Amino acid sequence: GENVGLHLPTLSVQEGDNSIINCAYSNSASDYFIWYKQESGKGPQFIIDIRSNMDKRQGQRVTVLLNKTVKHLSLQIAATQPGDSAVYFCAENIGFQKLVFGTGTRLLVSP
Amino acid sequence: GAVVSQHPSRVICKSGTSVKIECRSLDFQATTMFWYRQFPKQSLMLMATSNEGSKATYEQGVEKDKFLINHASLTLSTLTVTSAHPEDSSFYICSARGGQDQPQHFGDGTRLSIL
Repeated sequence: GENVGLHLPTLSVQEGDNSIINCAYSNSASDYFIWYKQESGKGPQFIIDIRSNMDKRQGQRVTVLLNKTVKHLSLQIAATQPGDSAVYFCAENIGFQKLVFGTGTRLLVSP
Repeated sequence: GAVVSQHPSRVICKSGTSVKIECRSLDFQATTMFWYRQFPKQSLMLMATSNEGSKATYEQGVEKDKFLINHASLTLSTLTVTSAHPEDSSFYICSARGGQDQPQHFGDGTRLSIL
């Protein structure tokens, strides 16, 4: 069935380091992927998205990489800051219908 | 842009009460809204998809008579938890999407606690 999972449940980094959060998906028909950030007690916040016809997309301090061959998605955060501490979810979309969320990775940034 | 407002943020009520949660897209028209449930330290589980002017589509295992959804306009969807019981206590989150090829934008959730 559809499954989007994450390799690392918790990632601890030092402020200023670059962070990489990984996500594996199993449905090769997925054509749209989104990364969300969720802070405690709040709803998910859109970070960046990528369509299946691309393999890389950059935003402000964030980069998403998509490897369709191995069904792998990653989120890179440059110069990680304490305010980046949150749970990060990848989500996949098939045919622009519903989203399937991964299990989430908690990012802890130490000053 | 793409702001979604959810109200109330927190509800505490007695067992048997029905609770209505509102989800509004403030600066865009949302043809589709989604309702999710999230348990502590877990991911979001889709409950139903709500399209303006039509009946909601519920995910398998979600009771449509328990969780009533109304999407009366392009900016408002409501979820009513009918005759709520302690097992319905959870974090309910809505999202809205401006178009099929647009990302979902989420509200800040409603913490529902049934005593």
